[in-house]
Amino acid sequence: AQKVTQAQTEISVVEKEDVTLDCVYETRDTTYYLFWYKQPPSGELVFLIRRNSFDEQNEISGRYSWNFQKSTSSFNFTITASQVVDSAVYFCALSEEDAGNMLTFGGGTRLMVKP
Amino acid sequence: DGGITQSPKYLFRKEGQNVTLSCEQNLNHDAMYWYRQDPGQGLRLIYYSQIVNDFQKGDIAEGYSVSREKKESFPLTVTSAQKNPTAFYLCASSITSGTYNEQFFGPGTRLTVL
Repeated sequence: AQKVTQAQTEISVVEKEDVTLDCVYETRDTTYYLFWYKQPPSGELVFLIRRNSFDEQNEISGRYSWNFQKSTSSFNFTITASQVVDSAVYFCALSEEDAGNMLTFGGGTRLMVKP
Repeated sequence: DGGITQSPKYLFRKEGQNVTLSCEQNLNHDAMYWYRQDPGQGLRLIYYSQIVNDFQKGDIAEGYSVSREKKESFPLTVTSAQKNPTAFYLCASSITSGTYNEQFFGPGTRLTVL
């Protein structure tokens, strides 16, 4: 069975603060992929990043960074110097090799960035 | 512009009626998916199709039906058998059904049963 947990249901920060969104997953597969998606108020999910289970290198893209740690089964997402436009619901998702491309989503974290 | 379109954006239905949600993509993707999202929750898979004329049930297929007669189109019918159909429905597609392929999502349809 696979499971994705985003323990933080809602986070509120003030603009320019750094914020980390947690994601913990469970899987028995050795080959799997982890994803982060952003859902702005418009509703459409926007793909942010994909990581495979064999690549633990952290990634940085502008103000976004991701920390993948297999030892703790975590794939955390950090936004540096947050902006009001970052306000959205963020979803972490897991896909196992044996399950094709079926995504299991976490419950999402609603991030509110206040000016 | 390539992308996924869903129509309508808002849909109201009376209890006991079937309703069909449209999903069209011009990305030339083989695989398509339907998800349901309830308030404050993550997405749950309803149905998916890896190729034309083929589709499989997801985690919550009861009360729903789909067809995949064309590569570009994957309509979802919410039948009267669906006990609690009020939700936000998202359609997605990916190049193939491989694990490594990210899914691209449409803007969604918000269905309300009156």
